[in-house]
Amino acid sequence: QKEVEQNSGPLSVPEGAIASLNCTYSDRGSQSFFWYRQYSGKSPELIMFIYSNGDKEDGRFTAQLNKASQYVSLLIRDSQPSDSATYLCAVRGSARQLTFGSGTQLTVLP
Amino acid sequence: GAGVSQSPRYKVAKRGQDVALRCDPISGHVSLFWYQQALGQGPEFLTYFQNEAQLDKSGLPSDRFFAERPEGSVSTLKIQRTQQEDSAVYLCASSPRQGPISNYGYTFGSGTRLTVV
Repeated sequence: QKEVEQNSGPLSVPEGAIASLNCTYSDRGSQSFFWYRQYSGKSPELIMFIYSNGDKEDGRFTAQLNKASQYVSLLIRDSQPSDSATYLCAVRGSARQLTFGSGTQLTVLP
Repeated sequence: GAGVSQSPRYKVAKRGQDVALRCDPISGHVSLFWYQQALGQGPEFLTYFQNEAQLDKSGLPSDRFFAERPEGSVSTLKIQRTQQEDSAVYLCASSPRQGPISNYGYTFGSGTRLTVV
């Protein structure tokens, strides 16, 4: 079992819809959680982080964390074609480095 | 610099050749990480530096991989006797020391795409 699991997709949503991306992790000691966006051929860019249970909103993005269920999600409201990318979930435990999932490929259809 | 700079952007190496990949982190960032990203996969951790000290090299896949950061700034990842399975994008990331540790995210460089033929 991988430490960080994501559905690989592809996930397709129509423009203007809500895209929901999910991630589970195995290390109960994990402390902070990150979502990165990676366009094809580009490097990952940080879009959100969360470390407390509940929701955290930033513009069209909402990260949700449930430590009891070891589950973190990212919601993208009013999805745009420019949101089409691979979304990487990353988790930090006691070590300094982040552990990444394999990513979910999102396509927003015009 | 304004961002994390990596060079070369692309590298083609013949199997058995040694390669050196360079990373210039954001000025003042004390933490530097190297990751390997295979096609269709997420980044996999290789090694971590805090200033010039290599604090974790648990992700280096074999003793053919070596990283250094002698002056606590620029880092070099060296791969000796390259093999086809080394073909991947090598990403460097840096992180500042300020703020709560739980809020640290990385800033990635553009990566070096290594192809071993």
